[in-house]
Parts: sequence; C-alpha cells; structure tokens
Amino acid sequence: GAGVSQSPRYKVAKRGQDVALRCDPISGHVSLFWYQQALGQGPEFLTYFQNEAQLDKSGLPSDRFFAERPEGSVSTLKIQRTQQEDSAVYLCASSLAMGGYGYTFGSGTRLTVV
Amino acid sequence: DQQVKQNSPSLSVQEGRISILNCDYTNSMFDYFLWYKKYPAEGPTFLISISSIKDKNEDGRFTVFLNKSAKHLSLHIVPSQPGDSAVYFCAASAEGAGSYQLTFGKGTKLSVIP
Repeated sequence: GAGVSQSPRYKVAKRGQDVALRCDPISGHVSLFWYQQALGQGPEFLTYFQNEAQLDKSGLPSDRFFAERPEGSVSTLKIQRTQQEDSAVYLCASSLAMGGYGYTFGSGTRLTVV
Repeated sequence: DQQVKQNSPSLSVQEGRISILNCDYTNSMFDYFLWYKKYPAEGPTFLISISSIKDKNEDGRFTVFLNKSAKHLSLHIVPSQPGDSAVYFCAASAEGAGSYQLTFGKGTKLSVIP
C-alpha cells in the first residue's frame, strides 16, 4: 500500500480483556517498529523487527505485551489482560532498510482501557 | 530520566518570522538526531535529520543545528508558515552502538499565527 496502515484506529477494552493491534507496513519494507505514545508524551520504543526476526524487544513493558511478524510483513501487537495504564496510542513504523532512518509511521491505534 | 528533553511545551510565532525549537540530550552514545512533525490524529512525519559528524543540515526552510559539546540541537524554520503549526518531536538514536530504536522528547507544539 501507499502508507503504513494500522487497525483498528480506535479500540476500547474493558480491564482484563486481551487486545490485538494490527500493522500493515509498506510493501517490501524490511524494518518494522512499534512505539507506545501516552497522552502528552513522546513515542516510546516497544520492539523492532527485521523481516520476521524480532531483534529488539527491550521496550516491551511487561510479559503481557507480545509482538509477532511471522511472514515478515504484517505485524500484530497483542496485549493480554489489559490494564488502565496501557491506555495510549500505539504507533507502527516501517523502513526499507535496516535501522529506522526515514521510516514511515502509521496513524496509530488509540487504545482506551476502561 | 528523560534522555531527550524538549523543555518548551509550546511556542507561538508570527507568520514570516523564524521559529526555533530546542532539544537537549544526555546520552553521549547518541549519534543520529531527527525531527518529526505531527498533526492531530496522524502519525509523526520525518522532517530532517543530522549525523553527529555534522553541525548543520539544511533542507529548504528547515535547518537543524547540532552542538555536541553542549548536547543540544535546534530546529530553525524560516520563514514560518501557518501550515507549520503542529507538534514537533526531537528524537535520537545510537546506531553506532547497534541500537536502532529512537528516543523521543515530549514534543513542542508550534503555533504559527497568520
């Protein structure tokens, strides 16, 4: 596609519910990143894939967060047993090359946990 | 502890004048710096970047200056236009250390007044 597509755009989850957020990167992009942006803050790194390999997951806040990219294209960020502090915008970005310079962000998924 | 700091949450500038957005960092390993622009309900858009081997990079109306000794960078926009009104994020990475993740500041909201 022309850009990075994320779905859903908005998600309301009850506390304790599991959620799955989808990212469709630009076709052919090797690198894929997930960031979490809380209200009034800058994006914070969660995890990084190069093709299907998850090379860095140091930013995942807890073992309730899990990301995958099984075929090296679409990626899913899963959050189990959501809590109120998980409420944020989750941004996905992709890049043609290794590393992140010049990568393109999607519009994000706004998750609200009630 | 914030490794990338944007101390001005907001800035108002008259159309046609210069906008100067500032950013400070603390991590000496950072070797690449980027500015992103973000409109409401959209993902951040890459604006301009600079490597630590340079002290200035210019692209049209946008110029980024880097002062490594002071661990400070700034983005100059001249002349400012109403369409420049957005939130600007400073970001840094330490690719030389093998890290591709970006560390963002909290952002500065720029308002350009017609």
